[in-house]
Amino acid sequence: GAGVSQSPSNKVTEKGKDVELRCDPISGHTALYWYRQSLGQGLEFLIYFQGNSAPDKSGLPSDRFSAERTGGSVSTLTIQRTQQEDSAVYLCASSSRTGQGYTDTQYFGPGTRLTVL
Amino acid sequence: DQQVKQNSPSLSVQEGRISILNCDYTNSMFDYFLWYKKYPAEGPTFLISISSIKDKNEDGRFTVFLNKSAKHLSLHIVPSQPGDSAVYFCAASEYGNKLVFGAGTILRVKS
Repeated sequence: GAGVSQSPSNKVTEKGKDVELRCDPISGHTALYWYRQSLGQGLEFLIYFQGNSAPDKSGLPSDRFSAERTGGSVSTLTIQRTQQEDSAVYLCASSSRTGQGYTDTQYFGPGTRLTVL
Repeated sequence: DQQVKQNSPSLSVQEGRISILNCDYTNSMFDYFLWYKKYPAEGPTFLISISSIKDKNEDGRFTVFLNKSAKHLSLHIVPSQPGDSAVYFCAASEYGNKLVFGAGTILRVKS
């Protein structure tokens, strides 16, 4: 597609349930990033993929959060045993970087609004 | 520890005038800076960027200035239009890695 797509656009879940959020990056983009924006906060980095590997997972807030990327394309962010503080907009971005040191631009999807009741 | 700071939560400007949004950073290793615009319920949209080897980059109505010695950058929008009303985020990266964002500035352009 022309841009980064994310699904679902909105997700309401009950505390303790698991959720999966999906990101389809721009075709050909090798780098994929997950961020989140909590209410009234700036964007916070979660994890970065280069191809299918994740060289930087430093932003994942707890071991309840995990992500994978298959085929160098689609990525899934999974949150287990959701808590109310997980409520946020989860944003995915992709870029065409080919390796460390290459500066490029990250293009964002529309986000998934997660609400944990 | 906020590495990227946008100290003005909001800015109001008259249509046709200049909008100046400011951003300060603390990490001297940042080598790439970007500005994004965000409308409600949408993802951030890339506006303009600048490498640390430059001090100015211009794209149409948008100009970004970088002052490395002061660790300060600014976004100028001239002339401002009502459609520019949005939240503007400053972001920085080191060696093309993750972006570190400021908290955002809400720009309102009054017609």
